[in-house]
Amino acid sequence: SQKIEQNSEALNIQEGKTATLTCNYTNYSPAYLQWYRQDPGRGPVFLLLIRENEKEKRKERLKVTFDTTLKQSLFHITASQPADSATYLCALGRTGGYNKLIFGAGTRLAVHP
Amino acid sequence: DTAVSQTPKYLVTQMGNDKSIKCEQNLGHDTMYWYKQDSKKFLKIMFSYNNKELIINETVPNRFSPKSPDKAHLNLHINSLELGDSAVYFCASSSSMGQGAGYGYTFGSGTRLTVV
Repeated sequence: SQKIEQNSEALNIQEGKTATLTCNYTNYSPAYLQWYRQDPGRGPVFLLLIRENEKEKRKERLKVTFDTTLKQSLFHITASQPADSATYLCALGRTGGYNKLIFGAGTRLAVHP
Repeated sequence: DTAVSQTPKYLVTQMGNDKSIKCEQNLGHDTMYWYKQDSKKFLKIMFSYNNKELIINETVPNRFSPKSPDKAHLNLHINSLELGDSAVYFCASSSSMGQGAGYGYTFGSGTRLTVV
């Protein structure tokens, strides 16, 4: 069955460093991949979309890569700040699927001053 | 404010009761969803409606019944609540432009359901 894996352990980094989060998937051929941010007690917030024919996408301090051969996406936050501390979820979807997304369990990021 | 709003935010109820959660979006989206987030934080899709038509119906007990009176509203009714139904339920909306174009979801803030 399809599976999405994100680091279950929290990622702790120092302010100003680059945070890199990983999303791996198996038994699935997504047409696109999305990243979301979720704060405690809140709903996920959409950050970025990358399609299967795109290698990289950037938005301000965020960068996402998508390698369909490795079945992996990397999510980078450069010049990280304590306000970036949250759980980050990756989600996969495919064409013909009515925009149905399958989510990973997320990785909690803690940025320390 | 443009948003997805769901009510109530918290719901504590006894086993066997029937309860409803309501969701409304004013974003003009044509597709709405119900997701369940369990204690392990996985978000799992339950249902999706596109312009009031049910398009996704995952393997969910038939005690759960969604209803979409119009494309801006999607409600979830749960009959005969069980302990295992305790979770956070999220409503979301998106554009679809056909059968999936990768549009990002806008989520509501969730309803934490606790069955005792």
